[in-house]
Amino acid sequence: QITLKESGPALVKPTQTLTLTCTFSGFSLNTNKVGVGWFRQPPGKALEWLALVYWDDDKRYRPSLKSRLTITKDTSENQVVLTVTNMDPEDTATYYCAHRSDLLWLYWGQGTLVTVSS
Amino acid sequence: DIQMTQSPSSLSASVGDRVTITCRASQGMSNYLAWYQQKPGKAPKLLIYAASTLQSGVPSRFSGSGSGTDFTLTISSLQSEDVATYYCQRYNSAPYTFGQGTKLEIK
Repeated sequence: QITLKESGPALVKPTQTLTLTCTFSGFSLNTNKVGVGWFRQPPGKALEWLALVYWDDDKRYRPSLKSRLTITKDTSENQVVLTVTNMDPEDTATYYCAHRSDLLWLYWGQGTLVTVSS
Repeated sequence: DIQMTQSPSSLSASVGDRVTITCRASQGMSNYLAWYQQKPGKAPKLLIYAASTLQSGVPSRFSGSGSGTDFTLTISSLQSEDVATYYCQRYNSAPYTFGQGTKLEIK
């Protein structure tokens, strides 16, 4: 059974760096063609993809946010970490991590709401 | 980058109605088009991939079709539990762009 769970601060101040951790079970990030990605959804708005890391450490980023995003994996701990620098109130959103295999995003975490406010 | 545009943005229909949601890509794309259902406070749920392949466990009243730039999600007979927001997404290569969503309500 594949599960993912996001963790991190619920509140960050503008200009701070956000660090989110996705802890997963039921699969290995050493497996060929498997990846873990991050998405977000501002309140009342659409989903948007942020970043992806593959089993071979190949990484992809949303072009408009690439300068602010870093995704890393810790295979031994079954974790993927996303950092977002220079947080702004417009970055207020529910952040999700998800499992990618055979190109599909089938398994998702429950999401964690991050509010950016001073 | 390919942009995805859904229509309508919201829809109200009666139980038993046939419901159709459209997703248009800004340029021709392969059939790596997925549809998700998202209920309030929940993560998205994959319904359909490869434009028309039903994900295991999804009721057969859901179907997908289309190719090129125009894709469609159809619910053949709307049920009360189908109240949700529906998103299309291109998923084969980054950026994995979503449509803006279609909010479906019961009339």
